Amino acid sequence: DAKTTQPPSMDCAEGRAANLPCNHSTISGNEYVYWYRQIHSQGPQYIIHGLKNNETNEMASLIITEDRKSSTLILPHATLRDTAVYYCIKFREYGNKLVFGAGTILRVKS
Amino acid sequence: DTEVTQTPKHLVMGMTNKKSLKCEQHMGHRAMYWYKQKAKKPPELMFVYSYEKLSINESVPSRFSPECPNSSLLNLHLHALQPEDSALYLCASSQGPSRTNNSPLHFGNGTRLTVT
Repeated sequence: DAKTTQPPSMDCAEGRAANLPCNHSTISGNEYVYWYRQIHSQGPQYIIHGLKNNETNEMASLIITEDRKSSTLILPHATLRDTAVYYCIKFREYGNKLVFGAGTILRVKS
Repeated sequence: DTEVTQTPKHLVMGMTNKKSLKCEQHMGHRAMYWYKQKAKKPPELMFVYSYEKLSINESVPSRFSPECPNSSLLNLHLHALQPEDSALYLCASSQGPSRTNNSPLHFGNGTRLTVT
């Protein structure tokens, strides 16, 4: 089963919005899109997930295209502490495995 | 701080040693996971326990032996490891599979293992 596709790295200016794209063209109907991030030397941190509708929480917004083949994670006002590897994962907890792809290294610069 | 606690944070062991990694959560989660992460690589799934039963083993060598004594605890017993097994070992938990819910995994900060 193919993993998701993300750009290897991105830069973002501090205070600006960071928009991280993800392609998941092989997503099945019951799989959710999950986003995690991993800051150096820490465990992965859950950010947000969604099925069809756009989602927003205190950390980020998730925009999913109508055909569900791609999504964008938006950090509205990036700070230096948002520098991390961001993973986009398609996952269904029931009978499935959460498998990480290579992720995107986001560097937030002052 | 995370709600999944892993001990020890660091471990150095020889190839003939036997050691155990421990993971604990008190969120009432019924699924627990072990991942292995090498430097500059994404985490790789090793084992999944669901309702205290081993549900997934990703063809992990027998020198790694998982144990789930109860729904809050997960151990990983290590024996006769090789230097290439040196890595960050991550534990995670989730509410547990159901047909109606889809909860995220919560990760600990890992045990950094060095095999000499």
